[in-house]
Amino acid sequence: GENVEQHPSTLSVQEGDSAVIKCTYSDSASNYFPWYKQELGKRPQLIIDIRSNVGEKKDQRIAVTLNKTAKHFSLHITETQPEDSAVYFCAASKQAGTALIFGKGTTLSVSS
Amino acid sequence: ETGVTQSPTHLIKTRGQQVTLRCSSQSGHNTVSWYQQALGQGPQFIFQYYREEENGRGNFPPRFSGLQFPNYSSELNVNALELDDSALYLCASSPGAREGYEQYFGPGTRLTVT
Repeated sequence: GENVEQHPSTLSVQEGDSAVIKCTYSDSASNYFPWYKQELGKRPQLIIDIRSNVGEKKDQRIAVTLNKTAKHFSLHITETQPEDSAVYFCAASKQAGTALIFGKGTTLSVSS
Repeated sequence: ETGVTQSPTHLIKTRGQQVTLRCSSQSGHNTVSWYQQALGQGPQFIFQYYREEENGRGNFPPRFSGLQFPNYSSELNVNALELDDSALYLCASSPGAREGYEQYFGPGTRLTVT
């Protein structure tokens, strides 16, 4: 079955810096890759996603890139702010709306 | 439009007991997926229901069972509770399992098994 590896497990940056989180997946049939942000004690919230027919997607300070050949995808956050501090999860599935396989998460800390 | 809701918020059970968790999907959504999130881990897929039928199951034993009702709300039942079942149980709804839509999570139910 699908396996998703996520790195790093923790990431500390200064406010205004960029943050990059990387994930690799094992199942070449996966074609949907969402990213979720989970603040302490709250639900995971979808922040951006990408489908396999595109290589990059951007939404304001957040971007995701996908390399299907290498089976990896990355989350890029620019101009980080303290409110970006949270746990970020990547996930993969064979189709949006079906079973999501999650990475173990990255705890991002943004200090001001 | 109301979001995904879950009940109860917290629950404490004893090993060997049975528990039922409930999820109301977002308005207009006909698909509900259940996930187990252990402390410090990512959510793990338990199963999914699409229009009242099971539409996929993760690597969980049969004592984890579910149900979806005609209004698309859903229940997760766990029998013979074990200490390792202690976790946050999340449900997520989406407009359609086969239409290719994003999943939106509820706030979760924190289950503690003692």
